[in-house]
Formats: sequence, structure tokens, C-alpha cells
Amino acid sequence: SQKIEQNSEALNIQEGKTATLTCNYTNYSPAYLQWYRQDPGRGPVFLLLIRENEKEKRKERLKVTFDTTLKQSLFHITASQPADSATYLCALAQGGSYIPTFGRGTSLIVHP
Amino acid sequence: EADIYQTPRYLVIGTGKKITLECSQTMGHDKMYWYQQDPGMELHLIHYSYGVNSTEKGDLSSESTVSRIRTEHFPLTLESARPSHTSQYLCASSELTYRSGANVLTFGAGSRLTVL
Repeated sequence: SQKIEQNSEALNIQEGKTATLTCNYTNYSPAYLQWYRQDPGRGPVFLLLIRENEKEKRKERLKVTFDTTLKQSLFHITASQPADSATYLCALAQGGSYIPTFGRGTSLIVHP
Repeated sequence: EADIYQTPRYLVIGTGKKITLECSQTMGHDKMYWYQQDPGMELHLIHYSYGVNSTEKGDLSSESTVSRIRTEHFPLTLESARPSHTSQYLCASSELTYRSGANVLTFGAGSRLTVL
């Protein structure tokens, strides 16, 4: 069966450190992968998209890598701040409908 | 701020009531979606639409229904609410660009439904 796996345990880090979140998938052939941020009681907000033929994407303090051999994406936030505390969702889109399927998300808590 | 609006944000109703969750977007997007999300869980796609008069069921079976009479409006209706319908309902829209082939979703703030 198809699965998108993200760490269910919250990631606690100190302000200024780099946060690294993991997204693993099985039985998908994604055309691209997206990362969204979700704050409590709110809808997800799009952050970054990376295609199957791309290895890495950057946007300001954010970096995403995509390894289709390992079936894994890593999401990095450098110089993390308490305002980065949120749940981060990984979403895969396959050819055809291109409708994203979401993982459960990983909660990030950045301590001052 | 996202240009997609959901009302009501919070709704508490009794079993058997009919409810409609409203969703409107001002971006002119063709595609619209309804996802259901329980606390700490994945978003599950329950309905989507490619445009006016187009509606499809998503991956998660739902007793709700949707309509798409206008591009900007995509309401979700439950004819007879039950406690099992208690959840957060998230509406989203997107514009699939053929040049990029990417489908980036813009979400509303959500409607949290509690059925007693």
C-alpha cells in the first residue's frame, strides 16, 4: 500500500540551530513533492516544491532535498527561530491528477 | 493572506441537523478541494472539482456532498450530521499551470465541526 511517513514525535531544537525533518514514501512515483507549514487551527501554507528530476531547492532559510532512489525528502530550516515552531507537512503529487496526498506532519518546536 | 474564505470557522450542532460549510476563493482558480483532518492526523481528500459543474469524490469516503455552480464557490453539505462527522474541514484551491505542471494548493483557515 502507499505510505507517506513523517516522524510522529515532535522535534525540539534550540534557537539558531538547523532543523531537519524527514519524509519517506513507499509505492509512489511522485512527479513532485511539496512542503507545507500548518499552524494550530489553521490551514496549511505552501513553502517549497521540488520535482523528481531535482536534487535540491532553496528559499531563504529553507532547503529541500529529494532522493527518488531512497524515496526520501529532507527539509531543513537553518538558523531556526521560535516563530518557525509549527507542524510541517510533506505532500506528494503523481502524474495524472497531480492532487497532493499529505503525510501526517512533524511538529517542530524551537526553544529560545 | 490567502484569498480563500471558509465559514463558519467553528460550528457545534446536534445530531440529525443539516449543515453547509461555505468556501469561496477570489483567485479565479479552476480546481477546488475539500480535505478532512482530525487532530494529529493526515489531511484526507474527500471531494474535488476541476471547474464549474465538475465534482469528484476523493480518496476518503464521505457522506457529505458538494456542488460547483460558480467558479469561486464550493460548498460542502451534510444532510444529517452525526458525531462521527466531528472533524476539521479544509477547503483549498489551485491553478495547475501547464508550463510548470505544478499544482500548488492555497488553503482556507478551516471549519471545525462538532456534532453532539
